[in-house]
Amino acid sequence: DQQVKQNSPSLSVQEGRISILNCDYTNSMFDYFLWYKKYPAEGPTFLISISSIKDKNEDGRFTVFLNKSAKHLSLHIVPSQPGDSAVYFCAASASNAGGTSYGKLTFGQGTILTVHP
Amino acid sequence: GAGVSQSPSNKVTEKGKDVELRCDPISGHTALYWYRQRLGQGLEFLIYFQGNSAPDKSGLPSDRFSAERTGESVSTLTIQRTQQEDSAVYLCASSLWTANNQPQHFGDGTRLSIL
Repeated sequence: DQQVKQNSPSLSVQEGRISILNCDYTNSMFDYFLWYKKYPAEGPTFLISISSIKDKNEDGRFTVFLNKSAKHLSLHIVPSQPGDSAVYFCAASASNAGGTSYGKLTFGQGTILTVHP
Repeated sequence: GAGVSQSPSNKVTEKGKDVELRCDPISGHTALYWYRQRLGQGLEFLIYFQGNSAPDKSGLPSDRFSAERTGESVSTLTIQRTQQEDSAVYLCASSLWTANNQPQHFGDGTRLSIL
């Protein structure tokens, strides 16, 4: 069963516009969410994260929004740049009873973002 | 180096052979993780090590898969009697410790192809 889903395999955006990448999850135990960016033949690179106690986290051009009731999160990139073209993965983790991250990340299938000049 | 290093970067082998993949984590990182990514899919958790605690092996797909880590250094992932469905990119990651505020840093992976 796919506990983290990225339903859009690809997204194409014009340079300067907003890119919105979506992610849905089913496991209510997930309490920490991350976005990773991946270029071909390279490992994923951490972008931004959000704890379930927040509904928004912002870092420069990147903002992650979390809607716990809908079990949905999104990554906004504004303004989009051609260098942002990559595969974006959403990931989630569940803390154990002690409040320490379990360590195991569950990833979505990824969304290929293409930003056209 | 400053990042997670994996070797080899590519491995092609015949079905039935054993393979060993290596990961050098970032120095000082106590937590180490193995994932694999099959073609067109997301990353799939395999195993993680945290310091001297017993590893979490819950993601290993079969008993043909095993992993070891010596202290807080190098880890090896071994696949015995490889099958074609083992073909994937195997990614290693490390973090300071297993906590939400310690993002995992990934190596570039080993692309394994089973003929």
